[in-house]
Amino acid sequence: EDKVVQSPLSLVVHEGDTVTLNCSYEVTNFRSLLWYKQEKKAPTFLFMLTSSGIEKKSGRLSSILDKKELFSILNITATQTGDSAIYLCAVFGQGAQKLVFGQGTRLTINP
Amino acid sequence: EPEVTQTPSHQVTQMGQEVILRCVPISNHLYFYWYRQILGQKVEFLVSFYNNEISEKSEIFDDQFSVERPDGSNFTLKIRSTKLEDSAMYFCASSRSPYTEAFFGQGTRLTVV
Repeated sequence: EDKVVQSPLSLVVHEGDTVTLNCSYEVTNFRSLLWYKQEKKAPTFLFMLTSSGIEKKSGRLSSILDKKELFSILNITATQTGDSAIYLCAVFGQGAQKLVFGQGTRLTINP
Repeated sequence: EPEVTQTPSHQVTQMGQEVILRCVPISNHLYFYWYRQILGQKVEFLVSFYNNEISEKSEIFDDQFSVERPDGSNFTLKIRSTKLEDSAMYFCASSRSPYTEAFFGQGTRLTVV
């Protein structure tokens, strides 16, 4: 059964800190890994990763995938209170048109 | 910016009643999905839909559930004979192609009483 595990489940830091969120996966015939940010309701898309070692970057957020070790990390530098959210990791497997989600990391940024 | 829209935002229904949740996917997207999230739990896949038919469904998506694309824009999820455990946030999503970024709607919070 496909599985996605995120750590930590919860993280509280101060504004300005840098955080690293982890996502490990076991999936048959991996196709892609996606990161989402969930604030109040809808998950909003952040990154999609398909190749190992290629960093995706958007402002203060960046992410990288390691297909050999089956994990991805999401980094957020110079955190702001607006970064407070649940961050979700999800994967697509070959032949499976469904995203398998992890349980999420609840990130709280204190001023 | 195009977005997935869902209605209603919140629905309260009595156990045993039927509900229809509605979604308008992004207009040039071809793949449509329903997911649900029970409070405090993971987002779970229900069904994917392409070319006017179900392409994949989960074990959750039993005979109680059905999906339809009644016209060129709407995508609906029908839940027959609702149960208390169907209470959840239901998300619709769409993507341009398979295995690529799926964009989610704001969700419908379904409460079965």
